Amino acid sequence: GAGVSQSPRYKVTKRGQDVALRCDPISGHVSLYWYRQALGQGPEFLTYFNYEAQQDKSGLPNDRFSAERPEGSISTLTIQRTEQRDSAMYRCASSLSAKRGPTNEKLFFGSGTQLSVL
Amino acid sequence: KQEVTQIPAALSVPEGENLVLNCSFTDSAIYNLQWFRQDPGKGLTSLLLIQSSQREQTSGRLNASLDKSSGRSTLYIAASQPGDSATYLCAVRNLYSGYALNFGKGTSLLVTP
Repeated sequence: GAGVSQSPRYKVTKRGQDVALRCDPISGHVSLYWYRQALGQGPEFLTYFNYEAQQDKSGLPNDRFSAERPEGSISTLTIQRTEQRDSAMYRCASSLSAKRGPTNEKLFFGSGTQLSVL
Repeated sequence: KQEVTQIPAALSVPEGENLVLNCSFTDSAIYNLQWFRQDPGKGLTSLLLIQSSQREQTSGRLNASLDKSSGRSTLYIAASQPGDSATYLCAVRNLYSGYALNFGKGTSLLVTP
């Protein structure tokens, strides 16, 4: 597609339920990132994929959070047993190359999924 | 841990003014620094990227500078327009932990007609 696509746009769930957030990166982009942004804060890194390999998951806050990208394209971020503190905007970003380590490539962000846990 | 601070948190200016947004970071071992624009309901848009070896980058009415040794960057917006109203985020990519961007909290800019 033309840009990074995320779905759903809004997700309201009850505490204790599991949620799955989807990211469809720009076609051909091999690097994919997940970020979380609380209201009034900057985005906070969660995890990074190089093709299907999850190369950095240091930002995942606890074991209720997991992510996958099984075919190196679409990615899913899953939050199990959601809590109210999980409420935030979840953003996905992609970039073209798979260079190891730091890169000067710009990231392209999706519009995000706004998660509200009641 | 890299800490990124943006000042001011909010800014309101009349149309036509030149303005400066500030970003500071605590660890000077950076690979690059990016300025993003965030509009409500939309994704983040990368405006300018400055590599650690560079001093500044320009795009149209935007100019970003980088002083790595002092841990500072500024985003200069010339002849501001109401369409420039948005939140501007500064993000640093560290030299030794390359995957994550470390973001500031942003500066919310309002340009009034």
